[in-house]
Amino acid sequence: ILNVEQSPQSLHVQEGDSTNFTCSFPSSNFYALHWYRWETAKSPEALFVMTLNGDEKKKGRISATLNTKEGYSYLYIKGSQPEDSATYLCAFINAGNNRKLIWGLGTSLAVNP
Amino acid sequence: DTEVTQTPKHLVMGMTNKKSLKCEQHMGHRAMYWYKQKAKKPPELMFVYSYEKLSINESVPSRFSPECPNSSLLNLHLHALQPEDSALYLCASSSSGQGAHQPQHFGDGTRLSIL
Repeated sequence: ILNVEQSPQSLHVQEGDSTNFTCSFPSSNFYALHWYRWETAKSPEALFVMTLNGDEKKKGRISATLNTKEGYSYLYIKGSQPEDSATYLCAFINAGNNRKLIWGLGTSLAVNP
Repeated sequence: DTEVTQTPKHLVMGMTNKKSLKCEQHMGHRAMYWYKQKAKKPPELMFVYSYEKLSINESVPSRFSPECPNSSLLNLHLHALQPEDSALYLCASSSSGQGAHQPQHFGDGTRLSIL
């Protein structure tokens, strides 16, 4: 059974704080890792697709790193804003014939003004 | 605004009704997906269509019947649903098949309630 874990489950920060959270996944049979942001009453929005060990990707104040050898990815938000409040989901894709997204349960971020 | 359009946004139906959910994208994507999402849980994959052919059925009960009339459209036909089928149904698309390096683009979903 392939397991994707995200921590923490929820997080409350003050506006302006920087924060980060973790996605852990099986280190064998890695193919790709996706990060999505899901705001309440909206559709999930793709943030990053990461494929290579050591990948670092950035989109505005949000960045992500990938370590496929040890099976984790970090998502960083610099200078959190209230509009960053959302659930951040990662999804792992296994190598092989029947590839599919295996989702974590998400980290729920609340940024207080 | 999402580039994947789902209709209706809300649907309330009885257990004996037949209804359909619709999904449309005009991004030229060749893979389309149906997900079911219950509160505080991640999306649960139901079906994947790749190049208009059903490529993955995650052991979904036959009361859910997908259809892909063309590369832009994906339907989910519903019949004899159960109260536990009440959920948010999300459609997504990606430029190539499931499990590729491209992200999935999601619609806003249809909130389905079964009476």
